[in-house]
Amino acid sequence: QSVVTQPPSASGTPGQRVTISCSGSRSNIGSNTVNWYQQLPGTAPRLLIYTNNQRPSGVPDRFSGSKSGTSASLAISGLQAEDEADYYCAVWDDRLKGVFFGGGTKLAVL
Amino acid sequence: QVQIVQSGAEVKTPGASVKVSCKTSGYTFTDYAIHWVRQAPGQSFEWMGWINAVNGDTRYSQNFQDRVTMTRDTSASTAYMELSSLRSEDTAVYYCARNIRGTFIFDFWGQGPLVTVSS
Repeated sequence: QSVVTQPPSASGTPGQRVTISCSGSRSNIGSNTVNWYQQLPGTAPRLLIYTNNQRPSGVPDRFSGSKSGTSASLAISGLQAEDEADYYCAVWDDRLKGVFFGGGTKLAVL
Repeated sequence: QVQIVQSGAEVKTPGASVKVSCKTSGYTFTDYAIHWVRQAPGQSFEWMGWINAVNGDTRYSQNFQDRVTMTRDTSASTAYMELSSLRSEDTAVYYCARNIRGTFIFDFWGQGPLVTVSS
């Protein structure tokens, strides 16, 4: 099974708030910081959130991240059509000695 | 501005090798590491390893330890990833990504060429 687990899909209507979870274990999320990436269809990933809850310049403040224990979450408020994309969490695992990505969550804006 | 441009798509036969380049500009090459990540069609990402741009030290994922070689040319601000003994399961988009040293934050990515392995 995956080292880090995400729900395969999520959805919301414009203006709504949606959250995407990322579940791991003590050796990864429990010990290290989590980063989130957005991938629009046919494009390279874009850094969305780093170090659990920091936004790179240019990322709207509608995007926020949090971490508690062995889980992390990405929240998107004021959902917009352009947010329709795949979202991935990523974290270093101390036991497996590698970076692991979640399986990705496909967000649909209905 | 930071730019990362990778080499183009490749088609290889099983057993062959492929070498992908990752040319950077807009920043001091040796201030950051370069990581390599691949994405098979319709799948998530698989981390392959990284190279320290300063001294060329490498660290590879256990999944690729015996088949991958990462190098860099500081004079050309370019990193390279060579994968050998290709099999059909290696068909994927291969990305390089700039990494803030001491972290696992990938802040800029190349466009990622598709490498197809087929007989």
